[in-house]
Amino acid sequence: GEDVEQSLFLSVREGDSSVINCTYTDSSSTYLYWYKQEPGAGLQLLTYIFSNMDMKQDQRLTVLLNKKDKHLSLRIADTQTGDSAIYFCAESMMNTGFQKLVFGTGTRLLVSP
Amino acid sequence: DAMVIQNPRYQVTQFGKPVTLSCSQTLNHNVMYWYQQKSSQAPKLLFHYYDKDFNNEADTPDNFQSRRPNTSFCFLDIRSPGLGDAAMYLCATSFSGGRVGNEQFFGPGTRLTVL
Repeated sequence: GEDVEQSLFLSVREGDSSVINCTYTDSSSTYLYWYKQEPGAGLQLLTYIFSNMDMKQDQRLTVLLNKKDKHLSLRIADTQTGDSAIYFCAESMMNTGFQKLVFGTGTRLLVSP
Repeated sequence: DAMVIQNPRYQVTQFGKPVTLSCSQTLNHNVMYWYQQKSSQAPKLLFHYYDKDFNNEADTPDNFQSRRPNTSFCFLDIRSPGLGDAAMYLCATSFSGGRVGNEQFFGPGTRLTVL
């Protein structure tokens, strides 16, 4: 079955690192994504990782994947107030051009000055 | 800039009064999706169009319908909105055959209020 879980809330101070965690249950997932949603806006793709990788770094973002434990994390270095948003992880299964995304419940990140 | 546009951004309707939400895209993507996102919940896929082929999710209520008259436009019709249908509705597009996991591009959403 498909089920993606995240902690609901994270609060950090500006300049600290943030780590947002996600667990998923479907071992057949091919890609895992992190999306950012600012208030009143749609979802913005931040980064993704293919299921045969265990780490990906993209500027301030580091994604770690532990496939054995079905655990995904997003680390944001030097967190800024502009990073305050809801972060969704999502798993996807590819099916001939159609990508079904299953989202987690989202983690609200609050960055205080 | 290429983008996904949703109109209106905010829609108020009355209980039982049909409503249509609109999505257009300039990306020339062949797949279009509609998601429902209730407050503090994850987006949930309602259905998608792969080219002209409509694909409904098994648990999408019959009250929700969709039309795609051409590549650029896709509509979400709610035939008889109930109070439980109040939510943010997100449209997304993707290009099948793309190299990078067929990334989905999202519009800003339409927030629907049902009175």
